[in-house]
Amino acid sequence: DVKVTQSSRYLVKRTGEKVFLECVQDMDHENMFWYRQDPGLGLRLIYFSYDVKMKEKGDIPEGYSVSREKKERFSLILESASTNQTSMYLCASKLGSSGNTIYFGEGSWLTVV
Amino acid sequence: AQRVTQPEKLLSVFKGAPVELKCNYSYSGSPELFWYVQYSRQRLQLLLRHISRESIKGFTADLNKGETSFHLKKPFAQEEDSAMYYCALMCPGGYNKLIFGAGTRLAVHP
Repeated sequence: DVKVTQSSRYLVKRTGEKVFLECVQDMDHENMFWYRQDPGLGLRLIYFSYDVKMKEKGDIPEGYSVSREKKERFSLILESASTNQTSMYLCASKLGSSGNTIYFGEGSWLTVV
Repeated sequence: AQRVTQPEKLLSVFKGAPVELKCNYSYSGSPELFWYVQYSRQRLQLLLRHISRESIKGFTADLNKGETSFHLKKPFAQEEDSAMYYCALMCPGGYNKLIFGAGTRLAVHP
């Protein structure tokens, strides 16, 4: 069974802090994704990665960066957290070929105060 | 630009009633379409995909290319169907990223 693990389920950070959200998958998937989930807006893609050290901007990359140093790990970084980044963040992974299922983590609730 | 529209934020029905959650998409090519579901306190999971033409938990969805729709249907709703439902579009060749709609919350009342 595929496992996508987000290490932090609930975080509270102050405005201006640097925030790291970690995601690990155990199925050797090439593709990994970071989404944010907001009521009324659904899931919006922040960044994705199709290989180690490779990254592509999604629809809302501003204020975020990512790191993929190892295949199993994809980190989302908020360089200077702001209150409008308070949200649920979902990590996902997928095997390379089109049509394969995307597996999601349980999510990380981030509150920026 | 690719887009997925779910016009209803909330759909409220009684147990045993038919359910239809609407989804429309905009994409000029041949898309792959999915329905994802998120039950309370659980992670988002795949419900069904159009290429499989399957019925999962009594739900079906037919891709209508003429109307660019992929509505999710179930003839008799159950209370355990209450959840958040997301329609999603995958564009072949675009690194296989999923584009989601805003979601519809289905509430099934006893």
